[in-house]
Amino acid sequence: KAGVTQTPRYLIKTRGQQVTLSCSPISGHRSVSWYQQTPGQGLQFLFEYFSETQRNKGNFPGRFSGRQFSNSRSEMNVSTLELGDSALYLCASSLAGRQGTYEQYFGPGTRLTVT
Amino acid sequence: ILNVEQSPQSLHVQEGDSTNFTCSFPSSNFYALHWYRWETAKSPEALFVMTLNGDEKKKGRISATLNTKEGYSYLYIKGSQPEDSATYLCALDSNYQLIWGAGTKLIIKP
Repeated sequence: KAGVTQTPRYLIKTRGQQVTLSCSPISGHRSVSWYQQTPGQGLQFLFEYFSETQRNKGNFPGRFSGRQFSNSRSEMNVSTLELGDSALYLCASSLAGRQGTYEQYFGPGTRLTVT
Repeated sequence: ILNVEQSPQSLHVQEGDSTNFTCSFPSSNFYALHWYRWETAKSPEALFVMTLNGDEKKKGRISATLNTKEGYSYLYIKGSQPEDSATYLCALDSNYQLIWGAGTKLIIKP
């Protein structure tokens, strides 16, 4: 069974640009969550999608958005990039149902550097 | 704002010794508590998902207990090995999101 995949793995952008990151969950998983990890910080929850619906959103500005497609693949978009957006972005998928009762499977992450 | 705390922040343990660390969380609105292991240059990997007060789970040399009434969970590692070196994260399930602790970084000394 293929794991969670994320593309691209590495990305360098300049301030003011926008970026789109992609996540393909494990086959059969309908829930996809996105996290940001910066040096010295724990995992910060961005949002969670289930069957194309955003069920919860973390405390991030509106520049961060996401969506999920009918095949459960998900994308997140960051507009008007700032230096502080430099981070590792992880997505995780889990089985259908209430998110918390199922373990999450993480992708390898996308390392975003904003210059 | 819900807060999940882990202690200690880091831990150096001699190979072969046993160790344990703590995850504390608000006991109200509890739904589930997750433990993950995050090795350097890899992705976080699930260890346990615990839902019931008094739950005890075990995977090899690693086990965890849960006390939802007082709001804490312990992770135990018996006979530490070099491959146990990692950051151990706990996360509280709350309303379709996981609220993560900052982790305990475990370093096993040979």
